[in-house]
Amino acid sequence: DSGVTQTPKHLITATGQRVTLRCSPRSGDLSVYWYQQSLDQGLQFLIQYYNGEERAKGNILERFSAQQFPDLHSELNLSSLELGDSALYFCASSVSVVSGNTIYFGEGSWLTVV
Amino acid sequence: DQQVKQNSPSLSVQEGRISILNCDYTNSMFDYFLWYKKYPAEGPTFLISISSIKDKNEDGRFTVFLNKSAKHLSLHIVPSQPGDSAVYFCAASPSGGATNKLIFGTGTLLAVQP
Repeated sequence: DSGVTQTPKHLITATGQRVTLRCSPRSGDLSVYWYQQSLDQGLQFLIQYYNGEERAKGNILERFSAQQFPDLHSELNLSSLELGDSALYFCASSVSVVSGNTIYFGEGSWLTVV
Repeated sequence: DQQVKQNSPSLSVQEGRISILNCDYTNSMFDYFLWYKKYPAEGPTFLISISSIKDKNEDGRFTVFLNKSAKHLSLHIVPSQPGDSAVYFCAASPSGGATNKLIFGTGTLLAVQP
């Protein structure tokens, strides 16, 4: 158990819908990351927050948005869903943004768009 | 633009022998390199890391070697055990201090045969 909690674990929704994925980082961790893993793909970096502020952005679609709240939990909002958005979405956390800090991953949220 | 590459999608090794997983990168501006292990239906788990100023780091059965001139790193597992069967991801963290996001390779599936 990494200490990073993601909900829901599984989600099935229709095209055009909107979903919210939730992440609670490890106790004491200030930085949260979101990654997407599609079938046969590696983990693609989406976005990073540190203490409530956006720190880095990857290839995140405009239909996707995220935020980190004052209690440090984070949400990833996916809207106007398309079939290609079906993927495993991982949240991760670390203490800081210092390179070399271990980044701990949650178990992921499986999103299926039908 | 795949900055971190794992060219072997899979590797099969006999129990007790050495497993060598390889990773190449294209960007010289990486500070740290990490290996993560992933079992099905679980999140990636941190295994071992190496700073760009070192060429070797060892932790029990796991050793990571870094060859900066070749932009190549490898993970050695000795002796390999059936429980090591998993997908192994190589990841790199950029230097510069603004973010410690990880850029992942596509993974290598290791199968250790009893």
